Amino acid sequence: GQNIDQPTEMTATEGAIVQINCTYQTSGFNGLFWYQQHAGEAPTFLSYNVLDGLEEKGRFSSFLSRSKGYSYLLLKELQMKDSASYLCAVRSISSGSARQLTFGSGTQLTVLP
Amino acid sequence: GAGVSQSPSNKVTEKGKDVELRCDPISGHTALYWYRQSLGQGLEFLIYFQGNSAPDKSGLPSDRFSAERTGGSVSTLTIQRTQQEDSAVYLCASSRRTSGVTDTQYFGPGTRLTVL
Repeated sequence: GQNIDQPTEMTATEGAIVQINCTYQTSGFNGLFWYQQHAGEAPTFLSYNVLDGLEEKGRFSSFLSRSKGYSYLLLKELQMKDSASYLCAVRSISSGSARQLTFGSGTQLTVLP
Repeated sequence: GAGVSQSPSNKVTEKGKDVELRCDPISGHTALYWYRQSLGQGLEFLIYFQGNSAPDKSGLPSDRFSAERTGGSVSTLTIQRTQQEDSAVYLCASSRRTSGVTDTQYFGPGTRLTVL
């Protein structure tokens, strides 16, 4: 089976940096995704890692260590609009070849002024 | 172009009734996924369609749940004899193909189902 863990809640201050961690256990690992989900809205794609290392995209960066089953999402220069739930999702290649995503429960980030 | 669309946005039904939820994927996307998100829970995979292949139904929670995809495009998720535990947001996602490295899934706005 698969297991994905991430903190339930985090709070940070506008302008600061926050790191949201995600640990996973899976077989047939084929990539890790981060999505942002505002309340009542659809998840929107933020980043993708399949190789070890850091992927940077503007204020957002994502890191992956496959040997440790660990990823983090780094948000810099926090803005109030960054208050949302951040979902870590792992893709695996099952015997049926479906590339379904297994999601963590999400980390609710609150950015304070 | 247009994103993934779903209808209805909200559905309230009585226990025991059947419901149909619709998903229109992004044009040209051959892969389509259904997920369920219960309050305070992560997204739960339900079913996956890829082209004309047989769907992967491994995530469907019971035989009351079924889905179809007509013409390789629009999909309908049907829940028969709804139960209160079926109350959740049902999200549809599509992706361009499964052979790509990234193959990002793009989500629709979801249908919020409430079973009274």
